[in-house]
Order: sequence, then structure tokens, then C-alpha cells
Amino acid sequence: RKEVEQDPGPFNVPEGATVAFNCTYSNSASQSFFWYRQDCRKEPKLLMSVYSSGNEDGRFTAQLNRASQYISLLIRDSKLSDSATYLCVVNRAAGNKLTFGGGTRVLVKP
Amino acid sequence: DTEVTQTPKHLVMGMTNKKSLKCEQHMGHRAMYWYKQKAKKPPELMFVYSYEKLSINESVPSRFSPECPNSSLLNLHLHALQPEDSALYLCASSPTGQGEETQYFGPGTRLLVL
Repeated sequence: RKEVEQDPGPFNVPEGATVAFNCTYSNSASQSFFWYRQDCRKEPKLLMSVYSSGNEDGRFTAQLNRASQYISLLIRDSKLSDSATYLCVVNRAAGNKLTFGGGTRVLVKP
Repeated sequence: DTEVTQTPKHLVMGMTNKKSLKCEQHMGHRAMYWYKQKAKKPPELMFVYSYEKLSINESVPSRFSPECPNSSLLNLHLHALQPEDSALYLCASSPTGQGEETQYFGPGTRLLVL
């Protein structure tokens, strides 16, 4: 079993719609969690950190469920520019070592 | 815009060549990382430097040799690579390399080994 698993998609989303997807992690010692966004042939860029209480940044909402070991990302009012691969990233703290999920591809269409 | 820069952006090399990838960050971070990313795959950690000392080597073949001349510079020396080493090589940095820190990525060097 992979340490961090994501549905690869693609999620085809009409512009203006809401899309949500999850990521599961296997190591209960995982300490911190992030969503990164990666555009085609570009580097990953931090979208948001994920906190136990859940957090929101504009149209993006992230949730963490430690009991079930998953995190989620919800995008409201999708824009064409939201089309990207969203990488779920888990940090086990020891050595600040990040483990990436395989990514979920989102395609927002007019 | 990223504050982590990488050169060159693209590199084509033969299997007998020696080349180096360079990474620089201007955020005062004391931890720097090398990742390898193959097409349609997530980044995979190769090396971690913390306070200019190698702290993690993820069993990377010796044909990849990292070097951290100072806290803002990170090099990856390449020698006798194989075609399967063709990938995007990403550099990242974080404040200390300890605890739960966000890592910031450079734009990467796209490497093709012929």
C-alpha cells in the first residue's frame, strides 16, 4: 500500500461548479499535511497547509481527519485557472521528509 | 515568483558526460533538498541538507553527487548517467529542515540523458 494515495482523476469540472477530493495516508505518525498544486511542466507550489480544525483560503477549503487518516480539498466556484494536478503531501517531521501522493488531476471546462 | 532558482532550465547530456545542476535560494533557509520527478509521477526525495550537512540520502546511486557549498547554494553533480535518469530535477528549501516546515520549490531542471 502506498504511503499517500490519491484518486488520479481526471475530475472534469464545469466552470463555476464545486469539486472535492480526498487523500489517504497510511502512517499514523504523520505530523503535518499540505496541498500543493502543480501545473504541467512546472514546479509544485504550496496551495495551503491543512490543520486539524480545517482551514479555508478563499475558494479553497481543506480538512483533516486524523481518525480516518485522510485529508480533503474542496474548490468552490471553479475557475479555468484551477486546472492543475493537486498533490497531497504528508510530513513525518523526522528530517522534514515530505511524501507526495500521486496527484489528482482537475480539468475545469467552460 | 519562486525565490528558489535553478540552472540550467534544460540539460541534454550523454552517458559519458559530467555535468552539474545548480540551485540557489535567497530566503535565508538552512535546509535544501533535491527531488527527482518522472513524467506523470510525484516528486521523489533524493537528498536533504540541513545546516550544510547531508542529513538524508534516499539510497541514491553514486552517479548523483550532491554538494552544499554554503547555506544558500546546492549543487547536484552528475556523472555516467543512464537514460532512465532523464527527469525533472527539483530543488527545494525550508527554514531549518526540522519539524513540520513548508518546502518551497524551484522551477526545476529538465534533464535528458541520451
